[in-house]
Amino acid sequence: AQTVTQSQPEMSVQEAETVTLSCTYDTSESDYYLFWYKQPPSRQMILVIRQEAYKQQNATENRFSVNFQKAAKSFSLKISDSQLGDAAMYFCAYRKYGNKLVFGAGTILRVKS
Amino acid sequence: GAVVSQHPSRVICKSGTSVKIECRSLDFQATTMFWYRQFPKQSLMLMATSNEGSKATYEQGVEKDKFLINHASLTLSTLTVTSAHPEDSSFYICSAGAVPGTSGGWDTQYFGPGTRLTVL
Repeated sequence: AQTVTQSQPEMSVQEAETVTLSCTYDTSESDYYLFWYKQPPSRQMILVIRQEAYKQQNATENRFSVNFQKAAKSFSLKISDSQLGDAAMYFCAYRKYGNKLVFGAGTILRVKS
Repeated sequence: GAVVSQHPSRVICKSGTSVKIECRSLDFQATTMFWYRQFPKQSLMLMATSNEGSKATYEQGVEKDKFLINHASLTLSTLTVTSAHPEDSSFYICSAGAVPGTSGGWDTQYFGPGTRLTVL
């Protein structure tokens, strides 16, 4: 069974600084999707970024970018120029084509002003 | 695009009553919808997967007679918690997978804002 591991229960970052959230996963599949979701205090799950495994280029969405290392099964999220609104629980998730999402345990990100 | 609504946002009910939660995809068609349960500061736990027009597939340990799921159309799925008890109090979240060719593609799930259920 596929598993997703987020080894950092909590992280802190100073406003305007950069922070990287770690995620590793275990799969025997070659084709799949990876996602980062953000859950702010409102608890609305928001899609931050998605990566298709067959694409070598790392996905980027404005201040959010990923470091996708397929061989190492690693999918870290980098947040640049951190803002107070970035404070949230971040979930890494894996999905084989057509299958259900497998979530990590989440990382709470605190942003200090 | 790809907005999912959920209603109600919060509900308080007495023990023994049933509660229905609606999940709608507002601007896309969703052949597959998912229902999750989440406890504070924990990850999402998948309860069931529903496909439009067919029976839901429940995860192991989820009582299908207690958590009734109906996916009658491509834009609406409902979760009914029957004979609710205090231990059913939780945050319930629905999610919809987009139909191929629409916003986000098939393999992206979009989430509703959640429903906080409190059973007294």
